[in-house]
Amino acid sequence: EAGVTQFPSHSVIEKGQTVTLRCDPISGHDNLYWYRRVMGKEIKFLLHFVKESKQDESGMPNNRFLAERTGGTYSTLKVQPAELEDSGVYFCASSPEGMDQYFGPGTRLLVL
Amino acid sequence: AQKVTQAQTEISVVEKEDVTLDCVYETRDTTYYLFWYKQPPSGELVFLIRRNSFDEQNEISGRYSWNFQKSTSSFNFTITASQVVDSAVYFCALSEGIQGAQKLVFGQGTRLTINP
Repeated sequence: EAGVTQFPSHSVIEKGQTVTLRCDPISGHDNLYWYRRVMGKEIKFLLHFVKESKQDESGMPNNRFLAERTGGTYSTLKVQPAELEDSGVYFCASSPEGMDQYFGPGTRLLVL
Repeated sequence: AQKVTQAQTEISVVEKEDVTLDCVYETRDTTYYLFWYKQPPSGELVFLIRRNSFDEQNEISGRYSWNFQKSTSSFNFTITASQVVDSAVYFCALSEGIQGAQKLVFGQGTRLTINP
């Protein structure tokens, strides 16, 4: 069974540009989570989807971040416009029943 | 508020030594779950264990063992006879609620280096 996949693995953009991160959860997992780790700090929750609905988006830092999960399958996280402080590793996780979360390898974002 | 503290930023030991990674948590809920994840150099977070707040029995899985003590709000992780392949960043995490389908609150992580 394929694990959680994320694309791209790395992204380097300039301040003010737009970046879209993609996450493909494990097939059949209704729960999908986004987290990020800013350099040197702990991994922090961004939001949680159940199928295509946003269950909890309390961790989204501001309105420059937009997450979607159309059709309840893969999810995208768009940052527009990107700022320097958005640099970090963005993790996606999925879970069948919301208990154990299985993480992808992360997308390393660097905003210059 | 929920909080997880991993006071050890980095640990370095020689292969075959035992090593314990500390995790202290804060929560007001009586029902919660604790987790450990391993992040090897490849970057993904690998699930290791989940414990619920009602089960304080220690768990052993091969060379890995976990000591959950509600009295001290700790959930420590011990690797016995460490190996070079154990080198990774280890994260302790907490989620609250009955269903467990909640966000994870992570500690800062402990970077473990096992030297040959």
